[in-house]
Amino acid sequence: GAVVSQHPSRVICKSGTSVKIECRSLDFQATTMFWYRQFPKQSLMLMATSNEGSKATYEQGVEKDKFLINHASLTLSTLTVTSAHPEDSSFYICSAIGGETQYFGPGTRLLVL
Amino acid sequence: GEDVEQSLFLSVREGDSSVINCTYTDSSSTYLYWYKQEPGAGLQLLTYIFSNMDMKQDQRLTVLLNKKDKHLSLRIADTQTGDSAIYFCAERWTGGGNKLTFGTGTQLKVEL
Repeated sequence: GAVVSQHPSRVICKSGTSVKIECRSLDFQATTMFWYRQFPKQSLMLMATSNEGSKATYEQGVEKDKFLINHASLTLSTLTVTSAHPEDSSFYICSAIGGETQYFGPGTRLLVL
Repeated sequence: GEDVEQSLFLSVREGDSSVINCTYTDSSSTYLYWYKQEPGAGLQLLTYIFSNMDMKQDQRLTVLLNKKDKHLSLRIADTQTGDSAIYFCAERWTGGGNKLTFGTGTQLKVEL
């Protein structure tokens, strides 16, 4: 199947700093990518839809100024958590549309101290 | 897409069959998916079925869809310890674009 990568796989940062997470489709082009957040022992919560060449579409309750999304090319979307706080600590997963399915990245574990 | 429900936990013995169930409420589903998540990892696509199909088989995996009852199941034959993980069903529905609505996840534990 198609491969999606994320970088970094885990990151620890201080409160107030910003963290950028990259999502890449390695062997296919993706005009649409998605960003999810997952809390321990819970399902995935869709944060936003990342569209290549246009603004991201955010789900209700997700602060667009807090979670900046850039989809600058057909293979790369980035999520920047700005001014991170401990409550932003979570597992962030991206996915990319490939044909009829969504392929998921391996996830990024963010810990904000 | 609206609610997608799954039982939280399933325990089976190695070699037995596992059946993981999923119910959904949106009648306009187009595709339904099964994903597997191991601890600390992303989601691995296992299989998917188009909504006009009743069954799909792929090696040890069999997906059954009862559209009338809005019920989806995943059967894993000859379950192995490596199948222990959390399994999510997800639906994609007309009008939702490419968005998926995920179920609550079922933790499968395979015992020796």
